[in-house]
Amino acid sequence: AQSVTQPDIHITVSEGASLELRCNYSYGATPYLFWYVQSPGQGLQLLLKYFSGDTLVQGIKGFEAEFKRSQSSFNLRKPSVHWSDAAEYFCAVGEGNNDMRFGAGTRLTVKP
Amino acid sequence: DAGVIQSPRHEVTEMGQEVTLRCKPISGHNSLFWYRQTMMRGLELLIYFNNNVPIDDSGMPEDRFSAKMPNASFSTLKIQPSEPRDSAVYFCASRLQGNTEAFFGQGTRLTVV
Repeated sequence: AQSVTQPDIHITVSEGASLELRCNYSYGATPYLFWYVQSPGQGLQLLLKYFSGDTLVQGIKGFEAEFKRSQSSFNLRKPSVHWSDAAEYFCAVGEGNNDMRFGAGTRLTVKP
Repeated sequence: DAGVIQSPRHEVTEMGQEVTLRCKPISGHNSLFWYRQTMMRGLELLIYFNNNVPIDDSGMPEDRFSAKMPNASFSTLKIQPSEPRDSAVYFCASRLQGNTEAFFGQGTRLTVV
């Protein structure tokens, strides 16, 4: 069964610093991978997705993620974090007509 | 498009009462998901439908939970009887089958007292 692991429950970074959120997946074939962001009291919004092709994908709000098959990873990055990026981030894996499974989430705190 | 619409946004009910959560997916989408989010368990998939047919309900916690999708534009998640441990935020999401992402509603915050 497909599964997603986000090893970091909570990360704190200073505004302007770079960010990397980790995501590892378990899936038999090439998965479809997603990163979502959730602001307090809100639903989940898609940041970016990977289906095939270029393993470095660009998303909204200056985020990017890199698919590394050899490491079963899909880490999310941003070169310079803004205070408005404080939120919870979820990695998800899905395939075709099947379900989507989410990681436990990583809560990002941004220090001024 | 108005996106995925869930109602109510907030629900407070007494233990033992029946609770019905509603979801209207994005028009044209043919997959629908119900998730539950809690601090302890994170975001759990409860059930999903393809073309109005339940595909996998293994995430439904107990027989007290049931979900229906009578047509392509409406789904319900019912809890009967409700218990305090059912308190959570329940999200509905929809997508086109295949290579697409899921779009989430704003969620229903359920409190069972």
